Amino acid sequence: AQSVTQLDSQVPVFEEAPVELRCNYSSSVSVYLFWYVQYPNQGLQLLLKYLSGSTLVKSINGFEAEFNKSQTSFHLRKPSVHISDTAEYFCAVSETGGSYIPTFGRGTSLIVHP
Amino acid sequence: KAGVTQTPRYLIKTRGQQVTLSCSPISGHRSVSWYQQTPGQGLQFLFEYFSETQRNKGNFPGRFSGRQFSNSRSEMNVSTLELGDSALYLCASSIGQGGYTEAFFGQGTRLTVV
Repeated sequence: AQSVTQLDSQVPVFEEAPVELRCNYSSSVSVYLFWYVQYPNQGLQLLLKYLSGSTLVKSINGFEAEFNKSQTSFHLRKPSVHISDTAEYFCAVSETGGSYIPTFGRGTSLIVHP
Repeated sequence: KAGVTQTPRYLIKTRGQQVTLSCSPISGHRSVSWYQQTPGQGLQFLFEYFSETQRNKGNFPGRFSGRQFSNSRSEMNVSTLELGDSALYLCASSIGQGGYTEAFFGQGTRLTVV
């Protein structure tokens, strides 16, 4: 069975500063990796995903994440955050060929200050 | 294209009562999953339905049940409500069963048990 650890429950940062949200996973087989974002009073939306191929994946709004198999990590980064990036971010993992039900981390609250 | 619709958005129930939540997936999506989201536990998987069959079930007591209709709409039922059932219940739909497929989430139903 897979598991996901998001190391920081809350990350405060000033606007235009860089940010990294950390995610580590555990699995005995190959995995698919996802980052979802949840704005207040909303459901989750897919931000980006790693299925195969290039280990660096990017979203349309400037976020990127890199799959590191040796460190079993999938950290999310953005070089310059905006106030509108304030939200809850969830890392998720599903096993290839497994039950395909994703396991979610507990979430990281990104708080961007002006 | 309409998104995932969950009704009602908010619900207040008394301990011991039962409740039914509804989820209409995106047209063409055959897989519907339910999650319970609480501040302390994050997102916890309840169950997943595909073509009216429950394919996967999380670690929740039998008071939590669900079903899926032929039009892919899904309902979940919680009987004998407890205070600890207070949570945001999220429904997610996807087009298929593969772990690589994106899950589209509804806005959730906020259940408060008093």
